[in-house]
Amino acid sequence: RKEVEQDPGPFNVPEGATVAFNCTYSNSASQSFFWYRQDCRKEPKLLMSVYSSGNEDGRFTAQLNRASQYISLLIRDSKLSDSATYLCVVNWLGGYNKLIFGAGTRLAVHP
Amino acid sequence: GAVVSQHPSRVICKSGTSVKIECRSLDFQATTMFWYRQFPKQSLMLMATSNEGSKATYEQGVEKDKFLINHASLTLSTLTVTSAHPEDSSFYICSAREGGLGSPLHFGNGTRLTVT
Repeated sequence: RKEVEQDPGPFNVPEGATVAFNCTYSNSASQSFFWYRQDCRKEPKLLMSVYSSGNEDGRFTAQLNRASQYISLLIRDSKLSDSATYLCVVNWLGGYNKLIFGAGTRLAVHP
Repeated sequence: GAVVSQHPSRVICKSGTSVKIECRSLDFQATTMFWYRQFPKQSLMLMATSNEGSKATYEQGVEKDKFLINHASLTLSTLTVTSAHPEDSSFYICSAREGGLGSPLHFGNGTRLTVT
């Protein structure tokens, strides 16, 4: 099993749609979780951290399910500018601390 | 917010030459920096963890003698790709964490290396 798994997509949605991505992780001891956004040929940029109680930032909502070892990202009222690859990132506690990236989920929002 | 600067953003070199990439934390001190590599349409793969004042920790399968890492100060880490081959062509990205273990990474803008 991969350390961090994501559906690669692409998710093709119209503007205004609601779309959700899931990400599963294998290390039950992981403590920190993040969603990053990466545009084509650019570096990843932090979208939001994921807290145990769930958190919301405008149109974006992140949830953590420790029992099932997955995190989710919900995007409401999709905009064309949301088109990007969304990376799930998990803090890996294996001997020393490092962040493991999922392969990313591509989102394409069309008019 | 925290800023990580990486230079150069793009480099083309010939096979057999060496290329040095710099990563700087501009407004915070980073005892640890991370070097990632990303091939087209693939995820970021951690290459090594750079530790200020000590040896870098390399991930399995990454040759430490080929990818030399130096973290000489709290704001600068360098990655040198030695004796570059075309298969080393990739997008190299550095990152640093401003706070403790639970804080997110801030990324440099990446270096696109092309080896001809």
